Amino acid sequence: DIVMTQSPDSLAVSLGEGATINCKSSQSVLYGSNNKNYLAWYQQKPGQPPKLLIYWASTRESGVPDRFSGSGSGTDFTLTISSLQAEDVAVYYCQQYYDTPLTFGQGTRVEIK
Amino acid sequence: QLQLVQSGAEVKKPGASVRVSCKTSGYTFTGHYIHWVRQAPGQGLEWMGGINPNSGDTKYAQKFQGRVTMTRDTIISTAYMDLSRLRSDDAAVYYCARDSTNTWYGGVDYWGQGTLVTVSS
Repeated sequence: DIVMTQSPDSLAVSLGEGATINCKSSQSVLYGSNNKNYLAWYQQKPGQPPKLLIYWASTRESGVPDRFSGSGSGTDFTLTISSLQAEDVAVYYCQQYYDTPLTFGQGTRVEIK
Repeated sequence: QLQLVQSGAEVKKPGASVRVSCKTSGYTFTGHYIHWVRQAPGQGLEWMGGINPNSGDTKYAQKFQGRVTMTRDTIISTAYMDLSRLRSDDAAVYYCARDSTNTWYGGVDYWGQGTLVTVSS
């Protein structure tokens, strides 16, 4: 199984400041034949299902604010929130869909400082 | 609009079975695989397996092999997840989720609202 490891487990950021979450996979999720990274980012607020933010590592889902961006390739990925808003308080998960079983990172909790 | 609407909360005794349904609308049911993911209280997300609604082919995580069965009814665009021999550590919110493609490898784009399963004697 591909193990996904996120860091940090939690972070507190002042409103308007940036936040960076890292995700590392135990093997590459870059598929050579199409040069796509099979990596998604989700946001989950309490009592709600996860919401897709980013897919193919860097493509923003329709309707997601442009303060959210994804980067990285191979085994190392980053989710960046450029200017934290109050509504961004949530747990964020990375997920690989390169192979089954689909696997998720343990989650990163983002709070307001 | 596209929706995945799951069945309501369940309370089961240890050793019992539970069925969770996932009724879809707003898209072609057979055109997208369905995944099942669970989340224990305060914990992360765990993929249980999924189904190709077109063929009925399934894939299950090793952990659930022999206890989980995923089926579908294409007439009513609904997927089902049955989990048997429930234990206390099966208590969780169970989600159905749509793959963006007709493969296992498109990534999940839409989720059901979740179904809370409580296991208690």
